[in-house]
Amino acid sequence: TQLLEQSPQFLSIQEGENLTVYCNSSSVFSSLQWYRQEPGEGPVLLVTVVTGGEVKKLKRLTFQFGDARKDSSLHITAAQPGDTGLYLCAGAGDMRFGAGTRLTVKP
Amino acid sequence: GAVVSQHPSWVICKSGTSVKIECRSLDFQATTMFWYRQFPKQSLMLMATSNEGSKATYEQGVEKDKFLINHASLTLSTLTVTSAHPEDSSFYICSARRGLYEQYFGPGTRLTVT
Repeated sequence: TQLLEQSPQFLSIQEGENLTVYCNSSSVFSSLQWYRQEPGEGPVLLVTVVTGGEVKKLKRLTFQFGDARKDSSLHITAAQPGDTGLYLCAGAGDMRFGAGTRLTVKP
Repeated sequence: GAVVSQHPSWVICKSGTSVKIECRSLDFQATTMFWYRQFPKQSLMLMATSNEGSKATYEQGVEKDKFLINHASLTLSTLTVTSAHPEDSSFYICSARRGLYEQYFGPGTRLTVT
């Protein structure tokens, strides 16, 4: 079983700040996915990263896949209250999730 | 985007009864579906992977006789919680895979066992 560790577990910031959350493993992944989940709803896929060293941008969100394909990061620029939620990473193959980062952006 | 539905969205049942939860991919065919449970303030825990026409693959520690999964068609998978107990109360979420990487989640079913 490939385990994913996410950090930090909780993050509370003010609107307009930048932040980075991490997803790490000792195993190599063929691909990783990032999701955001809001309370009482299912997760929504944000991005899939496949190639080591890959960087993908989704508006103010920047995703990076480590060169060795063991880790990934999500950077949010100028966070907004609408970014509040649980951010999860998962191996795209086995669909097992990390523990998540619970982000709160205060107005 | 693709839509996955779950029914019911919430259910309350008495201890000892069984509850069936349906997961449907509304506008695509899903050869693989996944079932999760999620406790408050926690992440999603994978329970089983379900492939159409074959037996589900359960994660370690998940009782297959208690959580019955049937993937009867390319658009429908069901999870039946048998002889439910209060500790089975949780948020159950399914997802359906389309293609290699596309994954769509249902809105979840909140089960409360009294």
